[in-house]
Amino acid sequence: RKEVEQDPGPFNVPEGATVAFNCTYSNSASQSFFWYRQDCRKEPKLLMSVYSSGNEDGRFTAQLNRASQYISLLIRDSKLSDSATYLCAVNDFSTGNQFYFGTGTSLTVIP
Amino acid sequence: DVKVTQSSRYLVKRTGEKVFLECVQDMDHENMFWYRQDPGLGLRLIYFSYDVKMKEKGDIPEGYSVSREKKERFSLILESASTNQTSMYLCASVTQGAYEQYFGPGTRLTVT
Repeated sequence: RKEVEQDPGPFNVPEGATVAFNCTYSNSASQSFFWYRQDCRKEPKLLMSVYSSGNEDGRFTAQLNRASQYISLLIRDSKLSDSATYLCAVNDFSTGNQFYFGTGTSLTVIP
Repeated sequence: DVKVTQSSRYLVKRTGEKVFLECVQDMDHENMFWYRQDPGLGLRLIYFSYDVKMKEKGDIPEGYSVSREKKERFSLILESASTNQTSMYLCASVTQGAYEQYFGPGTRLTVT
């Protein structure tokens, strides 16, 4: 069983739409959670960390559900520039600071 | 501005060659990682290091070795390159405490 699982998509949404991604993780001891954005042929870059209380950064909202072991990312008012692959990542200190990444969810925002 | 650099963006090697991929970070991070990324498989950890001269196997270490002689530099070695090692290789670093991982730009390796 994979440590982290994501729906690969692709998600094709019109500009202005709201889109949500989920990511499930298998290790209940996981302690840190992140969403990364990866543009085509580029390296992943941190989009936002996910805190227990949830966090919001402009049009982006991330939430953590420990009971069900998933994290989510909500993008409101989608822009063309949001087109990318979104990777979730989890980390637990018991495995020596190892990060586990999902395979990524592809988003294309259509004019 | 944080910086992780990798020695090559694109590399073409022949089967059986020994291949060195270098990664350098200027953030004084303790932890460094080597991943490979393949379509449909995501990022898979090859090796990581939490200190100079220390290394730990990740999920797919077979066919690879690493070297960390200095804190800022982490090298990935393909002892005898094979075609199934054609991939995008990404280096990352993070400070102790498990916050943001910073990635290098990646090396796209083709083994023919």
